[in-house]
Amino acid sequence: TQLLEQSPQFLSIQEGENLTVYCNSSSVFSSLQWYRQEPGEGPVLLVTVVTGGEVKKLKRLTFQFGDARKDSSLHITAAQPGDTGLYLCAGEEAGGSYIPTFGRGTSLIVHP
Amino acid sequence: DAGITQSPRHKVTETGTPVTLRCHQTENHRYMYWYRQDPGHGLRLIHYSYGVKDTDKGEVSDGYSVSRSKTEDFLLTLESATSSQTSVYFCAISEGRTDFYYEQYFGPGTRLTVT
Repeated sequence: TQLLEQSPQFLSIQEGENLTVYCNSSSVFSSLQWYRQEPGEGPVLLVTVVTGGEVKKLKRLTFQFGDARKDSSLHITAAQPGDTGLYLCAGEEAGGSYIPTFGRGTSLIVHP
Repeated sequence: DAGITQSPRHKVTETGTPVTLRCHQTENHRYMYWYRQDPGHGLRLIHYSYGVKDTDKGEVSDGYSVSRSKTEDFLLTLESATSSQTSVYFCAISEGRTDFYYEQYFGPGTRLTVT
């Protein structure tokens, strides 16, 4: 069983559309990170959320941490082809080993 | 960008041969990690290090060993490569527990093919 479940697994949209991807767990997390990975490269850290209910914005990307710190979402407004990539969430389980665990990712393709 | 390099970037080897992948960092971060990434499985932790000579196993450590003799270098060795170890290998670094979270910075990856 995957500790962090990401959905959807794949997303193919047109430029200008909005989208939301989800990262869910039955466990409570101390913090949660979002990464973007482009083909042939390593993941790049986008943001860390720590406090339940926290919302962070990074240009057209909005990240939210659930009140109970068991889930998170990433919303992209007016997607652009440059947003194409694999979006990964990762976190450390509260009271756990302090080694981050990763979800399997959402693969996003934005068509011009 | 965090200063992390991996070598080699690509390698093709034969079943049964030993292979060593190197990760080098210039950030003086305490933690270093080796992951493999495979379709349908995402990133899976192989081994990690929390200091010089201090290492521990991850979820897929069978068939792999690691060594860290200096802060900046973390080596991953496949003692006798098998086709199931064909994968993309990523090294990551982290300062450690800062304000209740670990943020990781990844290298560019090594694509290993075992024939």
